[in-house]
Amino acid sequence: SAVISQKPSRDICQRGTSLTIQCQVDSQVTMMFWYRQQPGQSLTLIATANQGSEATYESGFVIDKFPISRPNLTFSTLTVSNMSPEDSSIYLCSLVTGLGMNTEAFFGQGTRLTVV
Amino acid sequence: KQEVTQIPAALSVPEGENLVLNCSFTDSAIYNLQWFRQDPGKGLTSLLLIQSSQREQTSGRLNASLDKSSGRSTLYIAASQPGDSATYLCAVTQGGKLIFGQGTELSVKP
Repeated sequence: SAVISQKPSRDICQRGTSLTIQCQVDSQVTMMFWYRQQPGQSLTLIATANQGSEATYESGFVIDKFPISRPNLTFSTLTVSNMSPEDSSIYLCSLVTGLGMNTEAFFGQGTRLTVV
Repeated sequence: KQEVTQIPAALSVPEGENLVLNCSFTDSAIYNLQWFRQDPGKGLTSLLLIQSSQREQTSGRLNASLDKSSGRSTLYIAASQPGDSATYLCAVTQGGKLIFGQGTELSVKP
């Protein structure tokens, strides 16, 4: 298994401001993933963060709104920029261990963001 | 495009009952299927992982089955307890990505 420490666990922010969420992993991983979970919804993948290269964003998500850093193999940050109430969600980081059929996903504790 | 559906969306049972949660997916070309538990406002805890070549996995009171050809998985919880109350999510791994169902919100009443 893997241990992922994510912080902050929750925050209430003013619209127009930005929040940076951090994830620290207890082992080196090539790829980390960032998800958004809007109220009452399931998880949607925002982007894949690769160490040493630009993050790969899913359709509907852009780097200007959700810049991601991946300075080393154990750490990543997601920034939610110029926030609006529609950004109120739970944000989760994730990693996958193993290869092929043996891959298993693990998640951080989540960041519950409320934008007022 | 892969779609994952979970039925029911919500379930309330008295303590001690055995129960089954259902997950279906439209494309059988998956690497594996994973069941997660999510407490309100929190992250996801991995419960069981079933590789595409496997039929079932067990952990304590939990048993998950996979029928890849029919695109179905079930999570069986035996002798449910109030502490089992949470949202249960299934996700399939395909193309290196996880695709999630909407979840089943379980409430176990004392």
